Amino acid sequence: AQKITQTQPGMFVQEKEAVTLDCTYDTSDQSYGLFWYKQPSSGEMIFLIYQGSYDEQNATEGRYSLNFQKARKSANLVISASQLGDSAMYFCAMRSVIIQGAQKLVFGQGTRLTINP
Amino acid sequence: ETGVTQTPRHLVMGMTNKKSLKCEQHLGHNAMYWYKQSAKKPLELMFVYSLEERVENNSVPSRFSPECPNSSHLFLHLHTLQPEDSALYLCASSPRKGLTSTDTQYFGPGTRLTVL
Repeated sequence: AQKITQTQPGMFVQEKEAVTLDCTYDTSDQSYGLFWYKQPSSGEMIFLIYQGSYDEQNATEGRYSLNFQKARKSANLVISASQLGDSAMYFCAMRSVIIQGAQKLVFGQGTRLTINP
Repeated sequence: ETGVTQTPRHLVMGMTNKKSLKCEQHLGHNAMYWYKQSAKKPLELMFVYSLEERVENNSVPSRFSPECPNSSHLFLHLHTLQPEDSALYLCASSPRKGLTSTDTQYFGPGTRLTVL
C-alpha cells in the first residue's frame, strides 16, 4: 500500500528565507505521481507542483521547486524567498491508482509552515 | 463562477438532523471526489465518482450517502451523524485521464461540519 510521510509537524521560518518541507513516500509502483498542496486557514487545498516518477528533471513552478530523489523515495518541497502569505498547511500527496479515469490520492499528515516577519 | 464551489461553508447539526452538502465544479471535469479532513489526521478519501458512476467507496458508514446527478454536481447526504463526524468535508474534481497524466485534483473550499 502507498504511504506518504511528512515528519515535520511545524516549521517556523523568517520572511525571505528559503524553506524545505520534507516528504518521503512508499510505493511498489513503477509509475506514480507526486503532488504538493497548500491549505490556508480558509480551508481550500491549492495545487502547487507535480512530479512524475519518470521525470528526469526536478519540477519547478515559480518560487516552488521539488527536490525529487527517487532512490531515496523523497520529494521535498523547496520554497524560495518565503513570504508572509506562505503561512499555511502543506500536504504532500501521491497518486496511487487510476480507477476508470479517476485518480486516488494518498496524503501525508501535513506540515504547518509559519513565516515570521 | 469558476473552479469548485461548496455550500454551505459552515454547518451545525444535531445527531437526528438530515442535511446535504453540495459541490459544483465549473471546470468541465468528469471525476469528482469527497474527502473528510479531521483534526490531526490525513485527508481521508470517502467517495469517488467517474462519469456519474461511483467507482470507490472507502468503507464509509451508511449515514453518509453520496449522489452525483451529473458530472458538474456532487452531493453528500447526511443523516443521524455522530459527534466524531465533525470535520472539514472537501470536494474535488479532476479530468478523466490516464496513469501518466499530470492533471491533478482541484478542491473546493470545504464545508466545516459540527455535529452536536
